[in-house]
Amino acid sequence: KAGVTQTPRYLIKTRGQQVTLSCSPISGHRSVSWYQQTPGQGLQFLFEYFSETQRNKGNFPGRFSGRQFSNSRSEMNVSTLELGDSALYLCASSRVLDREAFFGQGTRLTVV
Amino acid sequence: SQQGEEDPQALSIQEGENATMNCSYKTSINNLQWYRQNSGRGLVHLILIRSNEREKHSGRLRVTLDTSKKSSSLLITASRAADTASYFCATDEIGNGNKLVFGAGTILRVKS
Repeated sequence: KAGVTQTPRYLIKTRGQQVTLSCSPISGHRSVSWYQQTPGQGLQFLFEYFSETQRNKGNFPGRFSGRQFSNSRSEMNVSTLELGDSALYLCASSRVLDREAFFGQGTRLTVV
Repeated sequence: SQQGEEDPQALSIQEGENATMNCSYKTSINNLQWYRQNSGRGLVHLILIRSNEREKHSGRLRVTLDTSKKSSSLLITASRAADTASYFCATDEIGNGNKLVFGAGTILRVKS
């Protein structure tokens, strides 16, 4: 069974640009969550999608947005990038009932 | 924001020794999950323990949960150099959907 797939693995962007990250969950998993990991703040929850609806959102500015498609694949978008957005962005998928969350390898975003 | 703390922040042991990491949290939970992360890569799911469970085993891993003290511990027995990684606990809070709240992590170094 394929794991959670995140693309791209690495990105370098310039301040002010926008970026879109993609996540394909494990087959059969309908919940997709996104996390940001930085050395200073650790792992922080961004948002969760289930059946194409955002169910939960963390304390991030509106520049961070996401969506989920009917096949459960998800994308997150960050607009007007800032240097502080440099981080490892992790996607996790889970079934509804047992709630084990499985993570992808992450996308390393560097903003210069 | 991170829910709790992990203790110790860093641990260095010899191969073959046991490693114990502790995690404390603040709210009522559905379950608690432990993850391993190697060098800023993705998170590997180790074990999930539900709020009505007190102890769980998986191979060389033993996890305990004390909901009255809001704490958990992860024991790795007969450690190997390949166990060198960061270990995180994450809590699934009641009423918070599939959002996981992570601790700051314990950096484990196993010397061969």
